[in-house]
Amino acid sequence: GAVVSQHPSWVICKSGTSVKIECRSLDFQATTMFWYRQFPKQSLMLMATSNEGSKATYEQGVEKDKFLINHASLTLSTLTVTSAHPEDSSFYICSANHATNEKLFFGSGTQLSVL
Amino acid sequence: GEDVEQSLFLSVREGDSSVINCTYTDSSSTYLYWYKQEPGAGLQLLTYIFSNMDMKQDQRLTVLLNKKDKHLSLRIADTQTGDSAIYFCAAGSSNTGKLIFGQGTTLQVKP
Repeated sequence: GAVVSQHPSWVICKSGTSVKIECRSLDFQATTMFWYRQFPKQSLMLMATSNEGSKATYEQGVEKDKFLINHASLTLSTLTVTSAHPEDSSFYICSANHATNEKLFFGSGTQLSVL
Repeated sequence: GEDVEQSLFLSVREGDSSVINCTYTDSSSTYLYWYKQEPGAGLQLLTYIFSNMDMKQDQRLTVLLNKKDKHLSLRIADTQTGDSAIYFCAAGSSNTGKLIFGQGTTLQVKP
């Protein structure tokens, strides 16, 4: 079956540093990838939609300069949390839209803790 | 806007059936998904149903869809303690590829 690999699964960083999270579709091409954020005990919230070769579309309230998204190929999208602060600590999940069957497949998530 | 609603908590005894309900508002939703999240882990896709189907069965899981009422349910037969988790319902459009998630239902299975 289709697999989406997300890396790292866990990261701890100091306040003010930047963290990059990768999302790869391992055995299929993904024209669109999505980035979600989950706060404790809450549902996933869509942050941005990433299309290969074009600028990401951010949801209302999400700072595009803080959450940099790059979708350089049909199998890789990255989310960079710039100048991270403790309030950015959260669980980040990516998903990839299978180009052929249009189903969505999710990565296993990245737990970010900013000290 | 688009919305997906779920009850927040369900408690059942081991061996009983569990039914988790979900309602959605976007009538253009073409895919409806159930995800499972175990503590500390990411989402696991359990099953999905196309909007032109009424029912889908996969081993212990049965999904029922009432498209008219925009109501989706997940039935887990012979619920086990390992089924304890948070279950998310999600409605998606094949046009946009976006998924809208519910708040998640915490399923507690008592021995």
